[in-house]
Amino acid sequence: QSALTQPASVSGSPGQSITISCTGTSSDVGNYNYVSWYQQHPGKTPKLIIYDVSNRPSGISNRFSGSKSGSTASLTISGLQAEDEADYYCNSYTSSSTPYVFGTGTKVTVL
Amino acid sequence: EVQLVESGGGLVQPGGSLRLSCAASGFTFSNYVMHWVRQAPGKGLEYVSSILPNGDITNYGNSVKGRFTISRDNSKNTLYLQMDSLRVEDMAVYYCARDKTGGFSFDPWGQGTLVTVSS
Repeated sequence: QSALTQPASVSGSPGQSITISCTGTSSDVGNYNYVSWYQQHPGKTPKLIIYDVSNRPSGISNRFSGSKSGSTASLTISGLQAEDEADYYCNSYTSSSTPYVFGTGTKVTVL
Repeated sequence: EVQLVESGGGLVQPGGSLRLSCAASGFTFSNYVMHWVRQAPGKGLEYVSSILPNGDITNYGNSVKGRFTISRDNSKNTLYLQMDSLRVEDMAVYYCARDKTGGFSFDPWGQGTLVTVSS
C-alpha cells in the first residue's frame, strides 16, 4: 500500500486561502468517504481537524474545510493565520490488507 | 478528559524486542478500536496496527506484519504493542490513538514514546 500523495509544501500570506491535495487510488480515497486530515505543529502530537472527508470535530475552526473529487481529497485553509503554520497529513481507509494509509505530508508556511 | 499515555520506549539493539504500553483513561476503553501510528525522525506518519474492542481482530501495516503484535487488556484499560525482530528502520516515535467515535479516523492521540534501534 503506497502512501497517499501530497505536495511537500504550500505557502500563503496571512488572510489568503490555500488548498492541500491528497491523491490516492480507487482502493482508498476513491472508494471511501473516510478521509481524515491531521495538523501537527513541530514537536507536538498530531491533531484531527477533518474526518469523513468534510466534517470538523468540535472546537476546530471553520476556516478548515475538506472535500473530495474522485481519488483526490483536498483540505482548504481560509483566512490563513500564523498559527496555521504546521505539517498536515491526510489519511484514508483502504480496501487493501492494511486498513489505513497516510499521506506523505505537507508543510504549510505562512509568509 | 480523555487521556492516552504511552510508555516502554527506549534504546534497543537491532534484532531485539520491546513492548510498548498505552494507558487509557477518561472513556470506556472496552468500547473503542485502538491504533498505533509511528513517525520516524523528520519523517511522516505511518500506520502500524489496529485492534477491535474485544481484541479478536487485529490489523497491521505491511512493514511490521509478522514482527509486531498488538493486544489489549480491557480490565486494565491498556493497549500494548509487542515489537520483535526490531530493525533500524523501526526507529520512531510511537503514538497510540483512539478511534474517533463513529470510526475511521484517529482521535485523540497520546504524546508518543520514542523507540531507538541502534547497536
